[in-house]
Amino acid sequence: GESVGLHLPTLSVQEGDNSIINCAYSNSASDYFIWYKQESGKGPQFIIDIRSNMDKRQGQRVTVLLNKTVKHLSLQIAATQPGDSAVYFCAEERYGNKLVFGAGTILRVKS
Amino acid sequence: DTEVTQTPKHLVMGMTNKKSLKCEQHMGHRAMYWYKQKAKKPPELMFVYSYEKLSINESVPSRFSPECPNSSLLNLHLHALQPEDSALYLCASSASGTGGYEQYFGPGTRLTVT
Repeated sequence: GESVGLHLPTLSVQEGDNSIINCAYSNSASDYFIWYKQESGKGPQFIIDIRSNMDKRQGQRVTVLLNKTVKHLSLQIAATQPGDSAVYFCAEERYGNKLVFGAGTILRVKS
Repeated sequence: DTEVTQTPKHLVMGMTNKKSLKCEQHMGHRAMYWYKQKAKKPPELMFVYSYEKLSINESVPSRFSPECPNSSLLNLHLHALQPEDSALYLCASSASGTGGYEQYFGPGTRLTVT
């Protein structure tokens, strides 16, 4: 079936290093993608989004890359900080407002 | 105000109880959502309301009954739940009733069914 999935379930990085979290999707008709951060005991927090007519979008310390050819999405976090430790989900908008989330990647930042 | 609020934060209920979860947003958003999230899993969509009408029901059992009294409020009525329904229930809202905008999530209600 169609799915949105992540390659790495856990990512450990040193404080100050850059982090890259990857995501694969299989629905070529999807045209809107979102990255969320979820800290323990909280709801998902919007980080950044990208539409299918773009291949790159930058925010504050974050960049999302979209490769429609291979159906791949990535989130880059620059100068990773301890406060970035959380679970990160990619999400794909299918039809209407239906969001399908990937399995999630745990990001651990070592001080 | 970019906040989605949910009450209660925690709820413990027996399998014969009836309870309701509440969600509120004052951002003028036209779509509201209920998600269920089990531990160490991603959120799973349950219901979508667009322009106050139910537009998506992801084959959710009838013991979960959503209600959208107005454009700012969303309820989830619970009746005769099972222990496997214990989870974090998340509410979200988005600006458009037809998609293409980020969804803002509330903090969730942690539900335990005994």
